Amino acid sequence: QQQVKQSPQSLIVQKGGISIINCAYENTAFDYFPWYQQFPGKGPALLIAIRPDVSEKKEGRFTISFNKSAKQFSLHIMDSQPGDSATYFCAASSRAAGNKLTFGGGTRVLVKP
Amino acid sequence: ETGVTQSPTHLIKTRGQQVTLRCSSQSGHNTVSWYQQALGQGPQFIFQYYREEENGRGNFPPRFSGLQFPNYSSELNVNALELDDSALYLCASSSPRSKGGELFFGEGSRLTVL
Repeated sequence: QQQVKQSPQSLIVQKGGISIINCAYENTAFDYFPWYQQFPGKGPALLIAIRPDVSEKKEGRFTISFNKSAKQFSLHIMDSQPGDSATYFCAASSRAAGNKLTFGGGTRVLVKP
Repeated sequence: ETGVTQSPTHLIKTRGQQVTLRCSSQSGHNTVSWYQQALGQGPQFIFQYYREEENGRGNFPPRFSGLQFPNYSSELNVNALELDDSALYLCASSSPRSKGGELFFGEGSRLTVL
C-alpha cells in the first residue's frame, strides 16, 4: 500500500525556535508534495507545496526541503510563533492517479511563548 | 467566493443506521473528494467525483457510496454504520486549474457511532 510516513508525532518548540517535520514516501510516481495545517475543529488548509524538480521552496517562515534520491521531504518552520500551534500533515499525490492525496499521520506542534 | 461548506457539522448515529453527509464545493470547482479522518490520524481518501461520475476510490467497502450533482455539490452515504466509522468526514474540492494536489477542504462533519 502506498504510504507516507511522518515524524515526529509531536514536538514542542519555544517561541522563535525552529520546528522541523520529516516525511518519507515509497511511491516514485508521486509528483506533488503539499503540506497542510489543521487547527482543532477545522479542516486542513494548504500551507506550502513542492514538486520533485526543485530541492527547496520557501514561503515566508515556511520552507520545504526535498530529497528525491532519498524519497524524503521536510517542513521547516522558522521563528515559530504560538499561532503556529497546530497539527501539520505532509501529503503526496500523482497526476497519473488523479491527484488523490495520500497523507502522513500528522505532527502536533506546540509553540510555547 | 464561498469556500467548501459541509453539513451537518456534528451528528450521532447508532450502529446499523445509515447516514448522509453533504458538501457544497468551492465556486468554480468541478471535482469533489471525500476523506475520512479518524481521531489523531491523517485523512484517508474515500473517493472522488468528477462530472457526476466516481473517478477513483480508496480502500473503503461498498457501503460507502456517493453522488455528485450537476451543480457539483456532493453527498457521502454510509450504510450499516459500524463503531469504527466514527470519524471526521472531510470534503475537498478542486478545479481543473488546481496544481496537482491543491485541494480546498471544508471543516468536516464529525460522525459519532454508538
